[in-house]
Amino acid sequence: AQSVTQLDSQVPVFEEAPVELRCNYSSSVSVYLFWYVQYPNQGLQLLLKYLSGSTLVESINGFEAEFNKSQTSFHLRKPSVHISDTAEYFCAVSQRTNAGKSTFGDGTTLTVKP
Amino acid sequence: KAGVTQTPRYLIKTRGQQVTLSCSPISGHRSVSWYQQTPGQGLQFLFEYFSETQRNKGNFPGRFSGRQFSNSRSEMNVSTLELGDSALYLCASSLGTSELGEQFFGPGTRLTVL
Repeated sequence: AQSVTQLDSQVPVFEEAPVELRCNYSSSVSVYLFWYVQYPNQGLQLLLKYLSGSTLVESINGFEAEFNKSQTSFHLRKPSVHISDTAEYFCAVSQRTNAGKSTFGDGTTLTVKP
Repeated sequence: KAGVTQTPRYLIKTRGQQVTLSCSPISGHRSVSWYQQTPGQGLQFLFEYFSETQRNKGNFPGRFSGRQFSNSRSEMNVSTLELGDSALYLCASSLGTSELGEQFFGPGTRLTVL
């Protein structure tokens, strides 16, 4: 069995400030890790993923996440946020041998204020 | 390449009715997974189909069923609708192999049960 805990349900932050959205996971087998973003009334968009290799992964819009196996974490960071980053963010995990079944955290609502 | 499409986008039904939702995966993808998203329960895995066979199943009652056709399109059916079935139903497709764990999500079908 696997589980995901997103440690903050809501994160308010001012524009151009740094932000960290925290995610811990639990699994007895090797996993893939993902961060998805969801805007109102839309589906999920993949933000970034860790499949293997370098533990630091980056997205094209300035987000990055670091896979920490010893701490079973996959925190999402951005050094300077924009108003347009306001959305709900989901951390997800799937087993490497069972990638069609993802387990999601409860989500973190990021609100960027001017 | 076209993304994952879901039809219809919105549905309103009454208790006791049944409903069928459709999902067309990305061309070449053989795995289709379904998720239910509600404010109270978050994102929960319903089932996954791969090559017309159910490969994974979540913890939902038998009223929730699905199938996949030879062209990888999938349908999800909910019978005897209950108020609690009101949710955003998301479909995700992937290649289905263990080496590539990325799922691509559709925009969802918003089901309202009155």
